[in-house]
Amino acid sequence: AQKVTQAQTEISVVEKEDVTLDCVYETRDTTYYLFWYKQPPSGELVFLIRRNSFDEQNEISGRYSWNFQKSTSSFNFTITASQVVDSAVYFCALSTGTGRRALTFGSGTRLQVQP
Amino acid sequence: ETGVTQTPRHLVMGMTNKKSLKCEQHLGHNAMYWYKQSAKKPLELMFVYSLEERVENNSVPSRFSPECPNSSHLFLHLHTLQPEDSALYLCASSQESRGSTEAFFGQGTRLTVV
Repeated sequence: AQKVTQAQTEISVVEKEDVTLDCVYETRDTTYYLFWYKQPPSGELVFLIRRNSFDEQNEISGRYSWNFQKSTSSFNFTITASQVVDSAVYFCALSTGTGRRALTFGSGTRLQVQP
Repeated sequence: ETGVTQTPRHLVMGMTNKKSLKCEQHLGHNAMYWYKQSAKKPLELMFVYSLEERVENNSVPSRFSPECPNSSHLFLHLHTLQPEDSALYLCASSQESRGSTEAFFGQGTRLTVV
């Protein structure tokens, strides 16, 4: 069985602070894929990043960075110098490489960035 | 045209009504999905269609009936729903490949059953 845990239900920060969103996953598959999505108030889930299980390189994209650690089954997401527009619900998700195409989502972390 | 479009955006229906949700993708993808997002649960997969065939049905009650007439369109037919079915219904599409590719989502239909 697969599972994604986002223990932080809600985080509130002040603009320009850095914030890290935690994600811990469980799977017995050796091939799997990890994703982060952002859900603004409009409702649509916006794809942010995909990582496969063979690539543990961390990634940086502008103010966003991701830290993938297989040893701790974690795929954490950091926003540097947060902005009000970053306010949204962020979901971590998992899919496995064989057969199952769909995503298993965590429960999401609501991020509020105060001006 | 945006990648994945869902209509209507909002729907209020009585428990005896029949309605349909529509999803259209303009990305040339070959797989489509219905997810349900309710207030107290994580996003739940409902159905998966690959090349217009239903390949996954995640124990969804029969009052929800999907239809995929072609690779660009996906419907969710609703009948005799219950108030607990009130939720945001999200459609997504992706391109099947040997690995897993990211899914692109529509903005959802906010359904209220009264």
